[in-house]
Amino acid sequence: KQEVTQIPAALSVPEGENLVLNCSFTDSAIYNLQWFRQDPPGKGLTSLLLIQSSQREQTSGRLNASLDKSSGRSTLYIAASQPGDSATYLCAVSTSGTYKYIFGTGTRLKVLA
Amino acid sequence: EAGVAQSPRYKIIEKRQSVAFWCNPISGHATLYWYQQILGQGPKLLIQFQNNGVVDDSQLPKDRFSAERLKGVDSTLKIQPAKLEDSAVYLCASSLGTFWDGSYEQYFGPGTRLTVT
Repeated sequence: KQEVTQIPAALSVPEGENLVLNCSFTDSAIYNLQWFRQDPPGKGLTSLLLIQSSQREQTSGRLNASLDKSSGRSTLYIAASQPGDSATYLCAVSTSGTYKYIFGTGTRLKVLA
Repeated sequence: EAGVAQSPRYKIIEKRQSVAFWCNPISGHATLYWYQQILGQGPKLLIQFQNNGVVDDSQLPKDRFSAERLKGVDSTLKIQPAKLEDSAVYLCASSLGTFWDGSYEQYFGPGTRLTVT
């Protein structure tokens, strides 16, 4: 059974810092992995980056997501953080065969001005 | 392009009452998903439709939850009777296709926050 863990659960950083959010999964037989943003908690999700199982990374603007299937890890790198980046970041993994998303519990990020 | 629409945005009911949520997916999207997100947790898939057929409802508590998607467009999710532990945000999402045809990127609506007292 696929389990997805996100560390840290919460993070508070000053504006301008580069930061890394982590996502771990137990079953490496994944189909893809997607990072979402949710703000505030309990609102709709916005897709940030989607990484296919055959890819190592995806980039969009100040965001870069990497995938290491063998170690069961993905990282979301945010460069030059801004107060507008404050949100909850969720990763979701789809496992080959079932194809439905299993979500992590999220990392709640606060960027201080 | 209009996004996924959901209503109501908020609902407060007493336990044992019934409630219904409505979702209108992005036009042309064949696949529709209902998720439950309990505070502090990630969303959990309740049911997935492709057109008006059910693809996966393995995590839907069928003794109290039901969902339908008439004519392969709008969908309703119903809870009857509600329990305290049903308090959560109910998210609807849609995708153009499915994992099997590659067009699976999901677009989420704003959600409905349900409080059961």
